Amino acid sequence: GAVVSQHPSWVICKSGTSVKIECRSLDFQATTMFWYRQFPKQSLMLMATSNEGSKATYEQGVEKDKFLINHASLTLSTLTVTSAHPEDSSFYICSALLPGQGRYEQYFGPGTRLTVT
Amino acid sequence: QKEVEQNSGPLSVPEGAIASLNCTYSDRGSQSFFWYRQYSGKSPELIMSIYSNGDKEDGRFTAQLNKASQYVSLLIRDSQPSDSATYLCAVGSGSARQLTFGSGTQLTVLP
Repeated sequence: GAVVSQHPSWVICKSGTSVKIECRSLDFQATTMFWYRQFPKQSLMLMATSNEGSKATYEQGVEKDKFLINHASLTLSTLTVTSAHPEDSSFYICSALLPGQGRYEQYFGPGTRLTVT
Repeated sequence: QKEVEQNSGPLSVPEGAIASLNCTYSDRGSQSFFWYRQYSGKSPELIMSIYSNGDKEDGRFTAQLNKASQYVSLLIRDSQPSDSATYLCAVGSGSARQLTFGSGTQLTVLP
């Protein structure tokens, strides 16, 4: 159980274009999902917390107008990188919070490797 | 500023040995503690969660938590080459349910 998928697994786009990444919880409903970014040889950096039916909460320094997050259902959150630039090239990983009294386990999707040329 | 500290390693152990990974955290209000394994180029995989003081065992893995010392550890018994990965310690606190990750310890199990 607790399977999270992400699509696409990798994407190459031209500078100035937008890219949408989907994150789905396959066998449970996730009220809360998280979006992370990871650069090579570095740890995970939380970008934003996505709550179903409400606006996402962004971490300090993350541009909300550039990284659009939508959590329209209990199994789907999307991250859109708008007007992508080469410095946005990174490994983007989502996670979903497994619901349950007193449980705070996050299960990660397989990640999306974004390359902006 | 919530901090989670791990030895970056690399940590090398021979096959069959016990690997010991350590983690300290700064926020005394932390309530949940996790160990994730991340293979190179892949996303993190949850291997252990622990919420109360003491030991928790799952197969070859044992997580140990000491809230008074703000310390959490992971023991891997009978280490296998397939255990070679980066191990991330993550700590959760508060109602936001966000996790603070350590920088990870790179483990290599030598055949």
